Amino acid sequence: DAGVTQSPTHLIKTRGQQVTLRCSPKSGHDTVSWYQQALGQGPQFIFQYYEEEERQRGNFPDRFSGHQFPNYSSELNVNALLLGDSALYLCASSLEYDEQFFGPGTRLTVL
Amino acid sequence: DAKTTQPNSMESNEEEPVHLPCNHSTISGTDYIHWYRQLPSQGPEYVIHGLTSNVNNRMASLAIAEDRKSSTLILHRATLRDAAVYYCIAAGYSTLTFGKGTMLLVSP
Repeated sequence: DAGVTQSPTHLIKTRGQQVTLRCSPKSGHDTVSWYQQALGQGPQFIFQYYEEEERQRGNFPDRFSGHQFPNYSSELNVNALLLGDSALYLCASSLEYDEQFFGPGTRLTVL
Repeated sequence: DAKTTQPNSMESNEEEPVHLPCNHSTISGTDYIHWYRQLPSQGPEYVIHGLTSNVNNRMASLAIAEDRKSSTLILHRATLRDAAVYYCIAAGYSTLTFGKGTMLLVSP
């Protein structure tokens, strides 16, 4: 079992650009959550997808959007990048309300 | 999600037990107590969770106070691989609100 995988591992963008991050959940999991982790902080919840719908959302602006595909994989899109969006973006999968399994994250740097 | 309070850091020696405390005085009756840990350069890893009763698994034990306002994660024999940031979260299952956690340092 490959566990949760994320791509790319690192990414460098400039302010104003758009970025798409990808996540493949652990086999058998149907729920994907996305988190943003700034340096020295704990992860902050962005949103959660279940059955291709956004089920819950944290306190993030509309520039952050997502999608879940029929195979349960997911994308996180961020538009109009700001310097403050530089962070580690973590994807976690679960079987609905069970414990979450995290991927290694994508390190995004905005210049 | 209820606010949790944890010490910023703790130190332990290898092979010794470690007790990591967490206060969650505003926990609701339906909130679970979850513990995750994050090793350097990795995503968080599930450790254990519980609702009211003490819980044991292969990684750790969770002792929950009778009033549920505090809990303690117990690592029975710390190893160097247990050095990580440990997060205590009081929440339902759907979303997790992470604080800054406790950085556990383990010395040989």
